[in-house]
Amino acid sequence: DTEVTQTPKHLVMGMTNKKSLKCEQHMGHRAMYWYKQKAKKPPELMFVYSYEKLSINESVPSRFSPECPNSSLLNLHLHALQPEDSALYLCASSQEGVGANNYGYTFGSGTRLTVV
Amino acid sequence: GNSVTQMEGPVTLSEEAFLTINCTYTATGYPSLFWYVQYPGEGLQLLLKATKADDKGSNKGFEATYRKETTSFHLEKGSVQVSDSAVYFCALSGLTGGGNKLTFGTGTQLKVEL
Repeated sequence: DTEVTQTPKHLVMGMTNKKSLKCEQHMGHRAMYWYKQKAKKPPELMFVYSYEKLSINESVPSRFSPECPNSSLLNLHLHALQPEDSALYLCASSQEGVGANNYGYTFGSGTRLTVV
Repeated sequence: GNSVTQMEGPVTLSEEAFLTINCTYTATGYPSLFWYVQYPGEGLQLLLKATKADDKGSNKGFEATYRKETTSFHLEKGSVQVSDSAVYFCALSGLTGGGNKLTFGTGTQLKVEL
């Protein structure tokens, strides 16, 4: 299995809702990432998990809460979002350390989130 | 910090034309370099990579050579097809204090017309 699977593919939520994005990989990768991508822009790093521990938080607002329950799963919990949070949310995984540099990152197809 | 600079788009070419998308980088240490492609409505796909100076990455007719002396990783294809229309991102990967980070350029949209 060489894929990163993200669900749901599309999500519309109100500003008072709580929802979660899910990401799964079975490649044995021990680093997992959340990126946010606005239209016509490059992906922006949000969080990095290394061996199931949060290692990088790029000053993301607390209304975004990541969770890594095990080495294959990564969640992003959403609460009290704003319309400007509407974007494509991408999950990625890689080998850890030098492996990430040598083999690259595998991206999922993303969740397109609309906040109304 | 690390950064990647790409040529502005959109780039519009006729089918079978030669493609070059310029990419230069600034980094400490010995980063790896990547080209990712994003088709409309989809996620990012790894197109090719190079992990050290003078390495040439290639895939699906696309090529890029890691030039440390000019800090460049330009993407080339000898004959583009309509199906190559997409956004292309140059990126570098480097270790930071917290872990690996993939830094992207701004992306270059390619449109190939018949």
